[in-house]
Amino acid sequence: QVQLVQSGAEVKKPGASVKVSCKASGYTFTNYAMHWVRQAPGQRLEWMGWINAGNGDTKYSQKFQGRVTITRDTSASTAYMELSSLRSEDTAVYYCARGSYCSGGSCYSGGRLDPWGQGTLVTVSS
Amino acid sequence: QSVLTQPPSVSGAPGQRVTISCTGSSSNIGTGYDVHWYQQLPGTAPKLLIYGNTNRPSGVPDRFSGSKSGTSASLAITGLQAEDEADYYCQSYDTSLSGWVFGGGTKLTVL
Repeated sequence: QVQLVQSGAEVKKPGASVKVSCKASGYTFTNYAMHWVRQAPGQRLEWMGWINAGNGDTKYSQKFQGRVTITRDTSASTAYMELSSLRSEDTAVYYCARGSYCSGGSCYSGGRLDPWGQGTLVTVSS
Repeated sequence: QSVLTQPPSVSGAPGQRVTISCTGSSSNIGTGYDVHWYQQLPGTAPKLLIYGNTNRPSGVPDRFSGSKSGTSASLAITGLQAEDEADYYCQSYDTSLSGWVFGGGTKLTVL
């Protein structure tokens, strides 16, 4: 079955960077987009960005532009999300989620996110 | 503040019917982009509940249904059960932001 397994919890100091991984299985990794969504404690879901796992094209939310980098390793069927210049407000659970099917170098905008990884708690504290 | 607006909470007794609204605008739901719904049980990752406005993934009971009209969408849950107690989120795509957007989430309490 389609499954996304994320790396473990992280504790970082303000100003540091964090890199979270998301290993996919059960489908052809390069045929789909991969999204990253975060959820601060008790807060709503917040979309961060996505990557076309086939050609590596990325698109980021304006809020995170300049601080977030999404990459992938096709040989490992793994996507990564790196967030830099961490501050306390970045304390959250970070999720990866499979997005739309991609064809001909482009992915459909607006598709559903399914399935989701189990989440990775990132705590930013001095 | 969320681009898609949901009521913070709804409640109902077991067996009753509840609806959760999701109000957007002409730059998201109103453009024709689909609305999708997710259920998030306490301490777990969101799970797709309704996709493409009205469709249920395999395994989702037919007690859950979705609809869309104009710039709004709704999730209906009939025959409420205790295990339905969760947070529910709507999601669509926003052309002004060029990105995916979520509602603020609605906490369902089964009385």
